[in-house]
Amino acid sequence: QKEVEQDPGPLSVPEGAIVSLNCTYSNSAFQYFMWYRQYSRKGPELLMYTYSSGNKEDGRFTAQVDKSSKYISLFIRDSQPSDSATYLCAMSSSSNTGKLIFGQGTTLQVKP
Amino acid sequence: DVKVTQSSRYLVKRTGEKVFLECVQDMDHENMFWYRQDPGLGLRLIYFSYDVKMKEKGDIPEGYSVSREKKERFSLILESASTNQTSMYLCASSLGGATNEKLFFGSGTQLSVL
Repeated sequence: QKEVEQDPGPLSVPEGAIVSLNCTYSNSAFQYFMWYRQYSRKGPELLMYTYSSGNKEDGRFTAQVDKSSKYISLFIRDSQPSDSATYLCAMSSSSNTGKLIFGQGTTLQVKP
Repeated sequence: DVKVTQSSRYLVKRTGEKVFLECVQDMDHENMFWYRQDPGLGLRLIYFSYDVKMKEKGDIPEGYSVSREKKERFSLILESASTNQTSMYLCASSLGGATNEKLFFGSGTQLSVL
């Protein structure tokens, strides 16, 4: 079993839809949770960063962490064609080493 | 903006060749990382470095080595390339301390070993 599980998709939605992307994990030591966005032929870029449980909002993006269920989510409101990308969840333990464990990524396509 | 530059976008090598992948960051970051990205497997950590001349093994170090002679430069070396090392290689850096997890990535090098 992988430490971090993420449905690879692809996920196709119409413009304006609310998108929900999810990851589950098995290691209860994870404390730092991130979402990276990767456009085609580019490196990942950090989108959202949260520590421990709770919600964090940034514009159209909301990240949720439920440590009791070992489940994290990224919500995108009013999705745009420019949101079409691969979304990678990533996590690390409380040792704060910068060593991240990534999910395999979910490919999202937002159709105009 | 932080810039992480990888020297080659595409690289084709033959089995048994020694391959060097170069990475340079321009923001005085302490930490540098090498990941490989494969379909269905996501990103996996090969090696990382917290300081000049320091290196630590990641999750899949076999067949690779690294060099960090200067703070801004981190090189990945494939001593004898094999076909199973065909992959996208991503270099990343982070400032260090409380922001260790905020990685800045380069655009990647797509390596094909024939």
